[in-house]
Amino acid sequence: QVQLVQSGAEVKKPGSSVRVSCKASGGTSHNYAITWVRQAPGQGLEWMGRTIPTLGTANYAQKFEGRVTITADKSTSTAYMEFSNLRSDDTAVYYCARSTLASYNMAVWGNGTTVTVSS
Amino acid sequence: AIQLTQSPSSLSASAGDRVTITCRASQAISSHLIWYQQKPGKAPKLLISLASILQSGVPSRFSGSGSGTDFTLTISSLQPEDFGTYYCLQVHDYPLTFGGGTKVEVK
Repeated sequence: QVQLVQSGAEVKKPGSSVRVSCKASGGTSHNYAITWVRQAPGQGLEWMGRTIPTLGTANYAQKFEGRVTITADKSTSTAYMEFSNLRSDDTAVYYCARSTLASYNMAVWGNGTTVTVSS
Repeated sequence: AIQLTQSPSSLSASAGDRVTITCRASQAISSHLIWYQQKPGKAPKLLISLASILQSGVPSRFSGSGSGTDFTLTISSLQPEDFGTYYCLQVHDYPLTFGGGTKVEVK
């Protein structure tokens, strides 16, 4: 059974960058996609982007284009979400989730990483 | 981007009640809709894919229907453990988008 383990909580200053990792364990298939979703305190879910590691491609929500980069290292089964020029309203829990290439069904989710942006 | 409007935004119902949550898309999305349940402090849980396909392990009291622009998630007999917030997600086109969520309280 695949599990996704995310990196720990981060506290960042406005204008800085953060990189959150998402490591998969327990699975052998390389035919998957990783999606990043965030949730601000007390708010709903927000889709940020999706990558297919075997293709090295990524799609982003327009809101985040230019500030977010989603990558993956197939050799370590680890995906990354790098977010630059952070603002206070980027304070949120960031989740990674995995789906097969054949569907967008994100059935396996990471444990979430809290990113706090504060001066 | 395709917008999803969920209603109601919150509801309170008694155990045993039938509950219906609606998700309306701003344009036709065929059956490319997914439903999630999220409990406080936890990651979302996949309930239903392709508008009506119940995921393995999800109780049969949950069901989904709809296509095009109008979709529903129904809980046929609400149970105490069904509290949480329910989200729809369209996977018809990029950017993928979530509905605003429906918070369900069990009286």
